[in-house]
Parts: sequence; C-alpha cells; structure tokens
Amino acid sequence: TQLLEQSPQFLSIQEGENLTVYCNSSSVFSSLQWYRQEPGEGPVLLVTVVTGGEVKKLKRLTFQFGDARKDSSLHITAAQPGDTGLYLCAGGSNYQLIWGAGTKLIIKP
Amino acid sequence: DAEITQSPRHKITETGRQVTLACHQTWNHNNMFWYRQDLGHGLRLIHYSYGVHDTNKGEVSDGYSVSRSNTEDLPLTLESAASSQTSVYFCASSEEPGVMNTEAFFGQGTRLTVV
Repeated sequence: TQLLEQSPQFLSIQEGENLTVYCNSSSVFSSLQWYRQEPGEGPVLLVTVVTGGEVKKLKRLTFQFGDARKDSSLHITAAQPGDTGLYLCAGGSNYQLIWGAGTKLIIKP
Repeated sequence: DAEITQSPRHKITETGRQVTLACHQTWNHNNMFWYRQDLGHGLRLIHYSYGVHDTNKGEVSDGYSVSRSNTEDLPLTLESAASSQTSVYFCASSEEPGVMNTEAFFGQGTRLTVV
C-alpha cells in the first residue's frame, strides 16, 4: 500500500515567521499536487510539480519536488493570517492519486 | 462560471436508512470522484467515474454505490447507513479523460452524521 506522510500534522506560528511542510513517501510519483483547504470548503489546487528537482513559486509559497520524485516540500516565507488552512499533498500516476493526511496551519496575527 | 455543487450540505440520518448525496458539475468534465475526509486520514477515494455509464470502486467502496447516467451528475448512495460512515463527503471532477492525477475541482462538501 502506498503511503504519503505529511509533517507536521499541526503548526501554529506567528505572522511573519517562515515555515516548511513536508510530504514524504517510499514510492515514486509521476506528479505531486499541493492543495489548500479552508474550513467548510473543498480543497483548491495550489500547484502541480512533475519533474524531479522542480521548484515552483507562488508569491510567498515555494514548492519543491524531490530529485527522486518521492517527496515534496512547501515553504512559506513571512506567513500571513490569510495562509491559515489545511494543506494537502497528493501524489499521483495516471491510475491513482494518494493523499496525505494534511498539515493544519494556523498563522496568528 | 462553471462549478460543482453538492447537496445537502448537512445531513443527519439514522442507522440502516438509505441516503443519497447529490453532486452536480457544470464543468462538462468526464471524470468525477467521491471522497470521504476523516481526521487523520486525509481524503479517501470511495468511487470514481471516467464517463457516462462508467463507475469504478475506490479504496473504501464497501457500503456505497454510484451511478453515472449523464455527464453532470454522480450521486452517491449509502445503501444502509452505519455510524462508521459519519464523515465529510467531497465530490470532485477533473478534465483530462481517464487519468487520475490532473487538477481536481471540489465541491463544498456534505457533512453526514449517522445516529
């Protein structure tokens, strides 16, 4: 059974701090997606990475796919209260999509 | 604007009853999915469909069924609701035919409580 482990499960930090969320597996994926979910809403795609070593930036968010395509990280610089939410990673192939359990992030003003 | 809507948003039902959750998308996507989300488990795939009259079992399909009679709708039926099926249910759709790992567009979820 393929697993995708996210860490930490929960993170509460002050506005302005930096943070990194990790998504790790022993399996190789053809792509890795990151979603953000707000309370009472469905997940919304932030980014997809497909190439080993790929780095994508979305304003203050930096996403990296591991060289071996088994892991990924999300780094947030100068976190804002608007970054609060549940961050989910999902590793996929054409035939399946494996979801991590999520990192609940709270940014305190 | 295209969207995906789920109804009801909240439902309380009794053990043993049949329950149907609705999902309707106006993206004209071929792929539709049903997930359940429970604390500590992330999203788990229940059933999915790659087109009209196509349905497939996911990771946690026992006790659930779906049917796809048109492109827009994929209703999820709990044949005989059990307390273990208390969860938040999400419907999603995606564009690229027949593959799992393209961007998924999610509904707002249905919170189901089985008492």
